[in-house]
Amino acid sequence: GAVVSQHPSWVICKSGTSVKIECRSLDFQATTMFWYRQFPKQSLMLMATSNEGSKATYEQGVEKDKFLINHASLTLSTLTVTSAHPEDSSFYICSAGTPDRNTEAFFGQGTRLTVV
Amino acid sequence: GQNIDQPTEMTATEGAIVQINCTYQTSGFNGLFWYQQHAGEAPTFLSYNVLDGLEEKGRFSSFLSRSKGYSYLLLKELQMKDSASYLCAVKDSNYQLIWGAGTKLIIKP
Repeated sequence: GAVVSQHPSWVICKSGTSVKIECRSLDFQATTMFWYRQFPKQSLMLMATSNEGSKATYEQGVEKDKFLINHASLTLSTLTVTSAHPEDSSFYICSAGTPDRNTEAFFGQGTRLTVV
Repeated sequence: GQNIDQPTEMTATEGAIVQINCTYQTSGFNGLFWYQQHAGEAPTFLSYNVLDGLEEKGRFSSFLSRSKGYSYLLLKELQMKDSASYLCAVKDSNYQLIWGAGTKLIIKP
């Protein structure tokens, strides 16, 4: 199957700093990338959908100024958590796919963010 | 609203069979997916159903009834490594994945 690489796999940062997470599709062009957040023992929560070359679409309750998403190319999307706070500590996962009905979402490895 | 229901937790014995159910109510339907997720890892794809019936893939099988809004994942010959969360997800009319909360499966020796 297709490969999606997410980096870093884990990061610890201080409150108030910003953290950038990268998501790359290695062997296919992803017209759409999805960013999820998962708190312990909870399911995946979609944060935003990004389409190459256009602004991301954020889900209700997700602050677009805090979670900056850039999808500058068909193989790279980035999520920047700005002015991070301890409550932002979570597991962030990206997925990539093409909008046809038979393509399952290909997931990155996930990034464990801990804000101290 | 859109809703996907699956049991929170199930327990089964090594070598046995377990069935994890999923019911859904979504705006449109473009396929149902089952994923396995181990703690601290991203989900991995298990199966995809878009037509009614049973899809078999090794020890894992997935069933779909669109008229009933119902699916199940059947795991046979359970192994300890099958201990994980199993996520049911449906693609709605906008091809967006709607996720269930996941079923934590505990395998006992």
